[in-house]
Amino acid sequence: GDSVTQMEGPVTLSEEAFLTINCTYTATGYPSLFWYVQYPGEGLQLLLKATKADDKGSNKGFEATYRKETTSFHLEKGSVQVSDSAVYFCALSDGRDFNKFYFGSGTKLNVKP
Amino acid sequence: DGGITQSPKYLFRKEGQNVTLSCEQNLNHDAMYWYRQDPGQGLRLIYYSHIVNDFQKGDIAEGYSVSREKKESFPLTVTSAQKNPTAFYLCASSLLGEPTQHFGDGTRLSIL
Repeated sequence: GDSVTQMEGPVTLSEEAFLTINCTYTATGYPSLFWYVQYPGEGLQLLLKATKADDKGSNKGFEATYRKETTSFHLEKGSVQVSDSAVYFCALSDGRDFNKFYFGSGTKLNVKP
Repeated sequence: DGGITQSPKYLFRKEGQNVTLSCEQNLNHDAMYWYRQDPGQGLRLIYYSHIVNDFQKGDIAEGYSVSREKKESFPLTVTSAQKNPTAFYLCASSLLGEPTQHFGDGTRLSIL
């Protein structure tokens, strides 16, 4: 079945460092891919998405490219800030059945000043 | 502003008690979902609904019940049959045919 695997955390970086959080997926259809962010005690906020192969999603300096050949959707940011500290979830939505949403286990990011 | 409102933010349950978590949306979304999140883990689907008066079980429906009497509302009842209810509960909604799900701020349920 469909699934999402993302790198375990926590990831600890200094401010202005480069961020990569790896995400790979397994899907039989043509999924849409998402990154959500969760701040402490809050719900999930959509960070970015890509709906087809080679699409690049971007928002607030974060980027991720839908790579069908490597079944990956890695999240990157060139220079992180303390305010980026949160838990990041990679997710896919099955292209055949939109009620199916599969989440990774989340990666906690800590950014030190 | 449109959005999803979950209430209460914190909820405590006594042994043998049923409790109901509220989820209301004014986004005119057709589909609504309930997820459970345990510490350090991802989200697991409890129930979902695509249309009023219809809903389906997700991966962990045992011990939970829902209703969908209005398009805007999708309350979740955690029954006494759910032996480990302590968790963070998240409600989401989406437009049919649009894969993006939008989330509320969650309800944290604890046992007294």
